[in-house]
Amino acid sequence: QKEVEQDPGPLSVPEGAIVSLNCTYSNSAFQYFMWYRQYSRKGPELLMYTYSSGNKEDGRFTAQVDKSSKYISLFIRDSQPSDSATYLCAMSGPSSGAGSYQLTFGKGTKLSVIP
Amino acid sequence: GAGVSQSPSNKVTEKGKDVELRCDPISGHTALYWYRQSLGQGLEFLIYFQGNSAPDKSGLPSDRFSAERTGGSVSTLTIQRTQQEDSAVYLCASSLAPRGETQYFGPGTRLLVL
Repeated sequence: QKEVEQDPGPLSVPEGAIVSLNCTYSNSAFQYFMWYRQYSRKGPELLMYTYSSGNKEDGRFTAQVDKSSKYISLFIRDSQPSDSATYLCAMSGPSSGAGSYQLTFGKGTKLSVIP
Repeated sequence: GAGVSQSPSNKVTEKGKDVELRCDPISGHTALYWYRQSLGQGLEFLIYFQGNSAPDKSGLPSDRFSAERTGGSVSTLTIQRTQQEDSAVYLCASSLAPRGETQYFGPGTRLLVL
């Protein structure tokens, strides 16, 4: 079993729809939960991060973490064609003995928002 | 301000050659990470630097891979005797603090080994 599971999609939605992206994980020690957006042939761009369980909202984006279920979600409201990208979930912590907070990624979900 | 930069953006090499990939982190970021992104494996951790030291090299796939960081800034990832399976996008990320939630990525170097 992979440490982080993410449905690769592709996911296609009409403009204005609410998008739900999810990841599950197996390592209960993870402390930090991130969502990155990656456009084609670009590096990942940090969208949101959450420490431990809870919700966090930033504009049209809401991140949720449920540590009891080992499940995280990203919701995109009023989706736009510019949101078309691959969305990667990532997790880290606690640090290794060497102090590293290396990220463990899901494989990404490819999203297309159709005008 | 300037983000993380990487060079070259693309590299094509022949099997058996050595390659060097460069990362310029965000100024003042003490933590630097290298990752590799390939179609089959997704994004995988390679090595972590804190300052010029590399206390976590656990992700390096073989002894053909090495990295260094100088002046607490620029880092170079070297792959010796490249193999076709090394073909991937190599990504660098930096962070002001070692904590995991604030890693900012560069655009990556696309390596193709023929």
